[in-house]
Amino acid sequence: DAKTTQPNSMESNEEEPVHLPCNHSTISGTDYIHWYRQLPSQGPEYVIHGLTSNVNNRMASLAIAEDRKSSTLILHRATLRDAAVYYCILRDPRSGAGSYQLTFGKGTKLSVIP
Amino acid sequence: SQTIHQWPATLVQPVGSPLSLECTVEGTSNPNLYWYRQAAGRGLQLLFYSVGIGQISSEVPQNLSASRPQDRQFILSSKKLLLSDSGFYLCAWNRGPTDTQYFGPGTRLTVL
Repeated sequence: DAKTTQPNSMESNEEEPVHLPCNHSTISGTDYIHWYRQLPSQGPEYVIHGLTSNVNNRMASLAIAEDRKSSTLILHRATLRDAAVYYCILRDPRSGAGSYQLTFGKGTKLSVIP
Repeated sequence: SQTIHQWPATLVQPVGSPLSLECTVEGTSNPNLYWYRQAAGRGLQLLFYSVGIGQISSEVPQNLSASRPQDRQFILSSKKLLLSDSGFYLCAWNRGPTDTQYFGPGTRLTVL
């Protein structure tokens, strides 16, 4: 899987929007962009994924740059429960046995200030 | 709905002792199953995955082993624990290889 780069940490005030960036300059045309998050002392949970177009779901929005070399996870109103480590992961469904692996980097630790 | 269970939730073991962690999935059949480890302050590392009963793929050579005796049961074992085996062990499942992975609550292992 191609590599992603994320800031180590970010802070947000409660009830304000949060934009979590991810750079993936070596992304291939068949890589999907996935986001997971891990709350303290819990397993990761899926947040959202996309290929080219922006995506929205009940948890967040994913904005993908036109050249696909970067993307941004948007939490529209941060709550204290959103404090977690957010991981940006690229996955290629055509990569054979490698497609089974989720390669977690260090992610971005989001702190939400009351 | 599907649920994934892991036990025990926490475990403290002496160096050199054996290990057995269990993961079971309910509400689905023929899932892909995964074992990950997260050392303190580090990212998740895939240890093993399985696409069916008796089929195990190892991602990292070490003193751990995995087995899948039943369709929805995945076991992580060791004959002799090392200090470096301490960490947060997570089991996960999905249907297709690149589908969303769903993680269990994890087992926190401390080797003393």
